[in-house]
Amino acid sequence: KAGVTQTPRYLIKTRGQQVTLSCSPISGHRSVSWYQQTPGQGLQFLFEYFSETQRNKGNFPGRFSGRQFSNSRSEMNVSTLELGDSALYLCASSLQGDTGELFFGEGSRLTVL
Amino acid sequence: AQSVTQLGSHVSVSEGALVLLRCNYSSSVPPYLFWYVQYPNQGLQLLLKYTSAATLVKGINGFEAEFKKSETSFHLTKPSAHMSDAAEYFCAVMFSGGYNKLIFGAGTRLAVHP
Repeated sequence: KAGVTQTPRYLIKTRGQQVTLSCSPISGHRSVSWYQQTPGQGLQFLFEYFSETQRNKGNFPGRFSGRQFSNSRSEMNVSTLELGDSALYLCASSLQGDTGELFFGEGSRLTVL
Repeated sequence: AQSVTQLGSHVSVSEGALVLLRCNYSSSVPPYLFWYVQYPNQGLQLLLKYTSAATLVKGINGFEAEFKKSETSFHLTKPSAHMSDAAEYFCAVMFSGGYNKLIFGAGTRLAVHP
């Protein structure tokens, strides 16, 4: 069974640009969560989607957005990139929506110059 | 506000020695508690989860954790460290209705030396 797949794995952007990251969950998983990991702030929750509905959102500015499609695949978008957005963005899927038992992808490492 | 504190950002043990990684949470209501592990250049993997069914929880790779409500702690242990246990370990909490919003500790990097 394939795991959580995130694309792209690495990307470099400049300040002011926008970026879209993609996540394909494990087959049959309907919940997708996104986390940001940085050396300074650690792991922080961005948002969670279940059946195309955002059910929870972390404390991030409106530049961070996401969506989920009918096949459970998810994307997150960051607009007007800032240097501080450089991070590893982790996607995680779960079979049910409220267990905390998450299967993580390997992440998309974003560098903002 | 709910928070998770992991005592010791780096822990070093000898192969075969006891592993003890400490985690304390702050909450008036016992949450769901987790330990995740992250190997270099990989995502996180669930080691174990506490859900109030039993205070001693056994996880994968020989790890276990004990929930102590009076101490608001959920320390992770393994009787005998293996070289392959070298990784970063994260303690996390989630509250009912949290929709997979985990609050993570800062992490503890475990080094295992021969």
